[in-house]
Amino acid sequence: SFELTQPPSVSVSPGQTATITCSGDTLGYKYASWYQQKPGQSPVLVIYQDTKRPSGMPERFSGSKSGNTASLTISGTQAMDEADYYCQAWDSGTVVFGGGTKLSVL
Amino acid sequence: QVQLVESGGGVVQPGRPLRLSCAASGFPFSDYGMHWVRQAPGKGLEWVALISYDGGNKFYADSVKGRFTISKDFSRDTLLLQMNGLRPEDTAVYFCATQNYGGNTAGLNSWGQGTLVTVSS
Repeated sequence: SFELTQPPSVSVSPGQTATITCSGDTLGYKYASWYQQKPGQSPVLVIYQDTKRPSGMPERFSGSKSGNTASLTISGTQAMDEADYYCQAWDSGTVVFGGGTKLSVL
Repeated sequence: QVQLVESGGGVVQPGRPLRLSCAASGFPFSDYGMHWVRQAPGKGLEWVALISYDGGNKFYADSVKGRFTISKDFSRDTLLLQMNGLRPEDTAVYFCATQNYGGNTAGLNSWGQGTLVTVSS
């Protein structure tokens, strides 16, 4: 079955660039979406179809993909960006989420 | 503005049924597919089910197939999840979410606040 793999944790200093990766066999043929979830809150869509930002999402959030690896990049990371981030793709009639990455802004 | 309000969660014994509801407002309910996604305590997101905009197509995770049924009540703009044969591993916060404009590949755009289901004897 299709799986998405993310690093469990990523650390970044305030103002620096954070990159979170998501890999999966054949992900190159699918679209990736990304979600931010802060403690006790519902997920928020931050990127869809690999590179698109929903209306109102800050420009510091961007997405890209190379081969079977999608990436979420946060430029000029702020303390408020500390959260769990999940990638997601649609595969053969199912929605698949990655295991999530905890972003720490230290 | 889009609003999704889940209800129906609670404590239920293993093997018993439970029905979750998600009241939708602020968008044309009959134009959008809808998802259920769950999150076990301290764990990641797990997709549960999807129903197409018109209710004609339904998709389920293997872990719930044959036990859960997703449906849409168009008269009340409400998404439903009938859960039968509940197991302790079904314990989670259950979120409803809208399919983003653009279809299955465009992600889940708006999410409710979630309702907690605890399966325990």
